[in-house]
Amino acid sequence: NAGVTQTPKFQVLKTGQSMTLQCAQDMNHEYMSWYRQDPGMGLRLIHYSVGAGITDQGEVPNGYNVSRSTTEDFPLRLLSAAPSQTSVYFCASRTEPRDSNYGYTFGSGTRLTVV
Amino acid sequence: SQQGEEDPQALSIQEGENATMNCSYKTSINNLQWYRQNSGRGLVHLILIRSNEREKHSGRLRVTLDTSKKSSSLLITASRAADTASYFCATDGWDSSYKLIFGSGTRLLVRP
Repeated sequence: NAGVTQTPKFQVLKTGQSMTLQCAQDMNHEYMSWYRQDPGMGLRLIHYSVGAGITDQGEVPNGYNVSRSTTEDFPLRLLSAAPSQTSVYFCASRTEPRDSNYGYTFGSGTRLTVV
Repeated sequence: SQQGEEDPQALSIQEGENATMNCSYKTSINNLQWYRQNSGRGLVHLILIRSNEREKHSGRLRVTLDTSKKSSSLLITASRAADTASYFCATDGWDSSYKLIFGSGTRLLVRP
């Protein structure tokens, strides 16, 4: 099924560990983005990419790195995990604004706990 | 800070009643979108309204947009217990990257 796939669904890390959250889409979308959602809050934009080789910072980029080597994949890296990064992470991709069916598709999320 | 602020933060109604949620935002937008999130789940896109539109309908949903007041409202008519969820507005800006920025959400409880 076409969509955005995030792995893993759940992860527990120790403070200081590193890991990569994977995100892949098969809809040939140029634009992809990462959000975090803390309990009782809305989503906050971490990083986004408008195409392969191009990334930029969102609202809360500190502590996260991204790269975009292919159109399909947009991994999010935590270099040294901190308890403050405990959150649910969502990846999203979207069609182009000029498209008549313009819209976003979200992955099902990765629940990350840093202890 | 988040672009959108929603009001109320929480809403409890009886099944069959209408639910109205409001969203205010700060900067000029290209479009505004509403999403639903069931507890612990992903986001479901409900409706998109563009800046040149004033009202849009989709089934039991009615969305209005007032760009002069930088505000939008979502009306759910004849609510059902299954509508219990958090509802978020999100704005798409005019810059070249069209970043989608979310509001803080309204938690809706529909009592059977």
